[in-house]
Amino acid sequence: SQTIHQWPATLVQPVGSPLSLECTVEGTSNPNLYWYRQAAGRGLQLLFYSVGIGQISSEVPQNLSASRPQDRQFILSSKKLLLSDSGFYLCAWSEGLGELFFGEGSRLTVL
Amino acid sequence: GENVEQHPSTLSVQEGDSAVIKCTYSDSASNYFPWYKQELGKRPQLIIDIRSNVGEKKDQRIAVTLNKTAKHFSLHITETQPEDSAVYFCAARGGGGFKTIFGAGTRLFVKA
Repeated sequence: SQTIHQWPATLVQPVGSPLSLECTVEGTSNPNLYWYRQAAGRGLQLLFYSVGIGQISSEVPQNLSASRPQDRQFILSSKKLLLSDSGFYLCAWSEGLGELFFGEGSRLTVL
Repeated sequence: GENVEQHPSTLSVQEGDSAVIKCTYSDSASNYFPWYKQELGKRPQLIIDIRSNVGEKKDQRIAVTLNKTAKHFSLHITETQPEDSAVYFCAARGGGGFKTIFGAGTRLFVKA
């Protein structure tokens, strides 16, 4: 069966520090991969999606970036975090046009 | 691009009553409409979905209706139970097929 792993689960970082969140999917090939952000009490905002290795589509201008170095690995990064980057980050995958499956999330607090 | 609006933002019902959450979408090419439930501190999980060639779908106490002409879709929960308390998100996936855009969420409280 397919599983999705996302880490770290919790992160507290100072303003201006770098960020790296990692997500891996097991049990499937060539998944569509997504990064969403959920601000406190808010909805799920699509940040990036990828339909293949090295293919990244960005949905919102921001100081975050995403990379897909391997078929089932998706990384969210920042060179310098802002206070507004705080939130709950969710990685997700889908197979073709099927259901989205979410990871357990990474809670980022920028101080 | 697609925009999804969801109402109400908060809904409080008595146990056993029905709950209805409504969403509208902007992209007439959207063809897939999932609903997710997120319990406190957990990941969102799919509870029901509907495709644009169907007007209604039911799964036990949960039903979803879709009006393509008006670009409206709704979630209906009957005989609510305290364990139904959670945040519910509607979403729409556009004609391009890869982007699922979510509404802002509805926090449902079911009072025992």
